Amino acid sequence: DAKTTQPPSMDCAEGRAANLPCNHSTISGNEYVYWYRQIHSQGPQYIIHGLKNNETNEMASLIITEDRKSSTLILPHATLRDTAVYYCIVRVGGTSGTYKYIFGTGTRLKVLA
Amino acid sequence: SAVISQKPSRDICQRGTSLTIQCQVDSQVTMMFWYRQQPGQSLTLIATANQGSEATYESGFVIDKFPISRPNLTFSTLTVSNMSPEDSSIYLCSAGGGFGSGTQLSVL
Repeated sequence: DAKTTQPPSMDCAEGRAANLPCNHSTISGNEYVYWYRQIHSQGPQYIIHGLKNNETNEMASLIITEDRKSSTLILPHATLRDTAVYYCIVRVGGTSGTYKYIFGTGTRLKVLA
Repeated sequence: SAVISQKPSRDICQRGTSLTIQCQVDSQVTMMFWYRQQPGQSLTLIATANQGSEATYESGFVIDKFPISRPNLTFSTLTVSNMSPEDSSIYLCSAGGGFGSGTQLSVL
C-alpha cells in the first residue's frame, strides 16, 4: 500500500498561507491523494482531493508534483479555527472497484494569533 | 460528503464484555469503513464492509474480535468482542467521504 510522510507539526501565523507538505513516493498511477483534517474530539473533515492536476475549492488548494510523488495542501489565509491535525491520505484501489483510505501520521498545524 | 450518525458516542465497559457500535449513513453507499484511533495517534483501518459480502479485514484485525454487519446500503455495525483495556480507543465509521464523530470506548 502507498504510504504518506508528513512533518509532525507546523506553526503558521494567522492570516498567512499555511503550506502543508506530503510525500507519497510509492503512489500508483490510479491512486488519489486526499486531505482531511481533524479538530480535537471530532471525526475527520474532508478538505480536498486530486489525482494529477492541481485542485482548488473554497477551503484550500492542492498542488501535486508532476511525478505525483509529493503534494502540498495550501490554506491561503489561515485562521485560528484552522488549528487541527491535517492528514494526507492515499486512496488505494482494490479488486472489483473497491478502495480504501490509508491515513498517514498527520501534521499538527497550530495557527498563532 | 455523506452525513454519518454514529452511536453510542462513548461508553465505559467491563473487561470480557462486548460492545456494538452503530453507523447510519444519510445516503446509499457501497462501501463503509471502520477505523480505530488510539490516543494521540492517526486512524488505522480495521475493515471495509460491503453490502452483501463478507467484510474485508486489515492485517492485525480478525472477524472474531471485530465482527461487522452490513444489512443494507445505509447501515453497519461493528462489535468489539471480549474486550480488554487494550481495546480502549476511539472507533470511527466512514462512508461516502464522510466520517462519524466516533465512539470513545473505555474498558475497565
